[in-house]
Amino acid sequence: AQKVTQAQTEISVVEKEDVTLDCVYETRDTTYYLFWYKQPPSGELVFLIRRNSFDEQNEISGRYSWNFQKSTSSFNFTITASQVVDSAVYFCALRRNMEGAQKLVFGQGTRLTINP
Amino acid sequence: GAVVSQHPSRVICKSGTSVKIECRSLDFQATTMFWYRQFPKQSLMLMATSNEGSKATYEQGVEKDKFLINHASLTLSTLTVTSAHPEDSSFYICSAREPATGGTQYFGPGTRLTVL
Repeated sequence: AQKVTQAQTEISVVEKEDVTLDCVYETRDTTYYLFWYKQPPSGELVFLIRRNSFDEQNEISGRYSWNFQKSTSSFNFTITASQVVDSAVYFCALRRNMEGAQKLVFGQGTRLTINP
Repeated sequence: GAVVSQHPSRVICKSGTSVKIECRSLDFQATTMFWYRQFPKQSLMLMATSNEGSKATYEQGVEKDKFLINHASLTLSTLTVTSAHPEDSSFYICSAREPATGGTQYFGPGTRLTVL
């Protein structure tokens, strides 16, 4: 069975601080995809990143960076120099890499509040 | 690219009426779309997978006759909540699978349904 755990329910930091959102997953598959989505107060889920399990390189996109550690089944997300606009609920998700496998397994989400 | 629209964004209806929600992929063709329901401060719950030209696949516990799904074209899926009741009030959000990006799901802005 697939499972995604985001142990941090809520995080609150002051603007310009760095913040890391944790994501731990469980799967018996050898290949899979991992995702992060952002859900701002407006409600729409915004795609942030997709990572194939074969690719363990960390990725940086502006102030965002992702640390994929297959050995610990973690795919953590760090926001550097946080801004108020980063306030949102962030979801980590897992998808099997198999023919016909399309469902996303979501974590419970982490509500991030950036205070001015 | 990869834009998904959803209409309406908000709907208020009387108990017993039916409500139709549209989900469109604007700049890509999606053979597969998904319908989710989200309760306040909770994660997304997959309701059904909508496949173009065939019957939708419903998740366990989701009433097929209550939540009618039609995926008549490669860019449009509809969800009809039949004989809506107050307990159907929720945030409904669709996604479309974009083949060019390895099947990444892109989400619509969601529909807030309130049944009086």
